[in-house]
Amino acid sequence: DVKVTQSSRYLVKRTGEKVFLECVQDMDHENMFWYRQDPGLGLRLIYFSYDVKMKEKGDIPEGYSVSREKKERFSLILESASTNQTSMYLCASVSTWGGLNEQFFGPGTRLTVL
Amino acid sequence: AQRVTQPEKLLSVFKGAPVELKCNYSYSGSPELFWYVQYSRQRLQLLLRHISRESIKGFTADLNKGETSFHLKKPFAQEEDSAMYYCALKRSSTLGRLYFGRGTQLTVWP
Repeated sequence: DVKVTQSSRYLVKRTGEKVFLECVQDMDHENMFWYRQDPGLGLRLIYFSYDVKMKEKGDIPEGYSVSREKKERFSLILESASTNQTSMYLCASVSTWGGLNEQFFGPGTRLTVL
Repeated sequence: AQRVTQPEKLLSVFKGAPVELKCNYSYSGSPELFWYVQYSRQRLQLLLRHISRESIKGFTADLNKGETSFHLKKPFAQEEDSAMYYCALKRSSTLGRLYFGRGTQLTVWP
């Protein structure tokens, strides 16, 4: 059973702080994704990674960076948090072997920036 | 380019009524289409995918390439179907990346 975990369910930070969101998956998936989920806007892709140390920008990368030093871990970094980054952040992983292409999601981190 | 459109942000039906959540897409290639669901206080999860041609929890979805649609249907809605539903598209050229619609919040009234 695939498990994707995120380091925090709720997080409150102040404007200007550096924020780290961690995601770990235990199924040896190659691909990992970070989304933010906002009412009325759906899921918007921030960054994704196809392999260790590889990253690709998604649709809304501004103000974010990522790190993937190990296959199972994908970190999202807010270099200087701002109030418009208050959101629900979802991590997902997927293996494309076998053609299933199912993304497995973590429980989400609700980030509030004050 | 590709786009997934879910025209209804909110949809309400009564228990036992048929329900249809609309999804239209634009993509010039051969897509894979998915429906994901998020129940209250649960994580987002796959409901069904078009290549499987399966029925999950009574829901079905048929890919109509002529109309570029992938509508989700259930003949008799249940209260436990209340959730947020997202339609998603995978391009043939990408490894695992999905393009999501904005979602439809379904409420099934007793």
